[in-house]
Amino acid sequence: AQTVTQSQPEMSVQEAETVTLSCTYDTSESDYYLFWYKQPPSRQMILVIRQEAYKQQNATENRFSVNFQKAAKSFSLKISDSQLGDAAMYFCAYRSNFGNEKLTFGTGTRLTIIP
Amino acid sequence: NAGVTQTPKFRVLKTGQSMTLLCAQDMNHEYMYWYRQDPGMGLRLIHYSVGEGTTAKGEVPDGYNVSRLKKQNFLLGLESAAPSQTSVYFCASSYHRTGLNEQYFGPGTRLTVT
Repeated sequence: AQTVTQSQPEMSVQEAETVTLSCTYDTSESDYYLFWYKQPPSRQMILVIRQEAYKQQNATENRFSVNFQKAAKSFSLKISDSQLGDAAMYFCAYRSNFGNEKLTFGTGTRLTIIP
Repeated sequence: NAGVTQTPKFRVLKTGQSMTLLCAQDMNHEYMYWYRQDPGMGLRLIHYSVGEGTTAKGEVPDGYNVSRLKKQNFLLGLESAAPSQTSVYFCASSYHRTGLNEQYFGPGTRLTVT
């Protein structure tokens, strides 16, 4: 079974600075997908960024980018120019491409933005 | 376009009571999911549906039942609530279950069982 580990329960960053959230996963599969979701205090889960495992190029969405290291099974999220609205829980998630229906989530990292 | 909606947003039950959580989506998605979120554990899949009239078990299905009588609705039932079912419940939907297809989440239902 796949597992997703987020080793940083809490992180903080000064507004306008850059922060990196770490995520590692364990799988024996070679074809899969990785996601970062944001959950603000409203509880709404919002997709931040996604990555296909067979694509070597790291995904980027505006101020959000990932560092995908397939051999190391690492999928970190970098947030540049942090804004107050980035404060939230961030969840890393894994999805197999072999008929497995579920997203496997990590335990989350709570990000605080310091004004 | 409301996306994914959930009813109710909050509920308190006594042990042994029953209730149904309603999820509705207006995006014509085939796939729908029910997750629960507990402190320190992320989200875990309870049940899911790949189309109208179909349901399947997820990771933590015990104590729950589901129905998908209409494509846009996915109901989660608790027949006899237990304190261990105190959680936040999320519904999600997507066009397809695999690949990069995004799962769209509802706002969640906070359930407390006393």
